[in-house]
Amino acid sequence: QVQLQESGPGLVKPSQTLSLTCTVSGGSISSGDYYWSWIRQPPGKGLEWIGYIYYSGSTYYNPSLKSRVTISVDTSKNQFSLKLSSVTAADTAVYYCARTGYSSSWYNYWGQGTLVTVSS
Amino acid sequence: SYVLTQPPSVSVAPGQTARITCGGNNIGSKSVHWYQQKPGQAPVLVVYDDSDRPSGIPERFSGSNSGNTATLTISRVEAGDEADYYCQVWDSSSDHREVFGGGTKLTVL
Repeated sequence: QVQLQESGPGLVKPSQTLSLTCTVSGGSISSGDYYWSWIRQPPGKGLEWIGYIYYSGSTYYNPSLKSRVTISVDTSKNQFSLKLSSVTAADTAVYYCARTGYSSSWYNYWGQGTLVTVSS
Repeated sequence: SYVLTQPPSVSVAPGQTARITCGGNNIGSKSVHWYQQKPGQAPVLVVYDDSDRPSGIPERFSGSNSGNTATLTISRVEAGDEADYYCQVWDSSSDHREVFGGGTKLTVL
């Protein structure tokens, strides 16, 4: 059973960079069959796709966040990471990592989510 | 970018049928996926590829997709079905490859 677990600071100051890591267990991030994704949800609001990465390092980002987002992968640690720069209060959200198929587009495995608050 | 429109809320009595819609331009040409999210929890996939159910999801959950509207149908609604529901598609026509609807709060009366 694949499991994903987010980790990282729960509080980030405005203008700084938000950094989160997702650790994958129960399966290899290098399998080639999946994209590894970040999705966020502001308090009381809906889901927003941030972007995803393939094990080879190919990335796709939400155009509305593209200028501030970097997603990277570390296959040796079976982890992938999110960096979001120049954060503001609008970036306060629960951040989820999730898995979607290379040839399918549904998300059947999610992390539990981690709340990141942007505040001074 | 591609937009998915859901009603903010749907209410239904226990035992009745709930229908949650997801509107999008020619959405019938895309594969639609549905998620259930209860408070404080991560979303759970309940329908994929318009009408398929993952293992463990009750048969009461079904989906359809045609024209400009996809629909999630929950038959014989139970109190435990009260949750937020989100539709999602993969938009190959733009860089915004994954799109979620705004979500629908299902209230069981």
